[in-house]
Amino acid sequence: NAGVTQTPKFRVLKTGQSMTLLCAQDMNHEYMYWYRQDPGMGLRLIHYSVGEGTTAKGEVPDGYNVSRLKKQNFLLGLESAAPSQTSVYFCASTERGGLYEQYFGPGTRLTVT
Amino acid sequence: AQTVTQSQPEMSVQEAETVTLSCTYDTSESDYYLFWYKQPPSRQMILVIRQEAYKQQNATENRFSVNFQKAAKSFSLKISDSQLGDAAMYFCAYRSVNNNDMRFGAGTRLTVKP
Repeated sequence: NAGVTQTPKFRVLKTGQSMTLLCAQDMNHEYMYWYRQDPGMGLRLIHYSVGEGTTAKGEVPDGYNVSRLKKQNFLLGLESAAPSQTSVYFCASTERGGLYEQYFGPGTRLTVT
Repeated sequence: AQTVTQSQPEMSVQEAETVTLSCTYDTSESDYYLFWYKQPPSRQMILVIRQEAYKQQNATENRFSVNFQKAAKSFSLKISDSQLGDAAMYFCAYRSVNNNDMRFGAGTRLTVKP
């Protein structure tokens, strides 16, 4: 099993450009999450999904959109990138909520100039 | 909204000794889940230990244990017999029962001295 994979691993965008980050998991997990990690701020939840076709806002959803059309994929979109969105983005999945462990992807480093 | 606070940005410990990392949280929920995750320089997040709020008994995983004080909203992590491989960022996290929202603290960077 590959676990949780993220595409791409690195990306540089210019202000105003758009892009989509892809998260894929092969563990048949119901729940998937997108986080951003900034120095001194830990991980902050952007959006999450508790099942195919569902999405919910997290702590910092502004400027991002998500879609979960297939159970194994969770896409994070930036419609008009801003320098404040420079960050490392992590995707995670878990079988369910509760005490179930989150499995994280390797991260995507995004720089917006 | 729930918040998680880790008041120690950095900690250091001598190899083979014990260290405790602090975590406090703010919530109005009576049941919830708490976690400690480790992030080594590889950036890969690894689950260290977890605890359900309604269980009074503190969780233990080998050299890792927690001190869960529900009334004080405190969830500290104790690492015994520290090893060089324990050096990492440690994040405390809270999961809501109601909506499965996850909140992480800012992290504590642990250095292990040989």
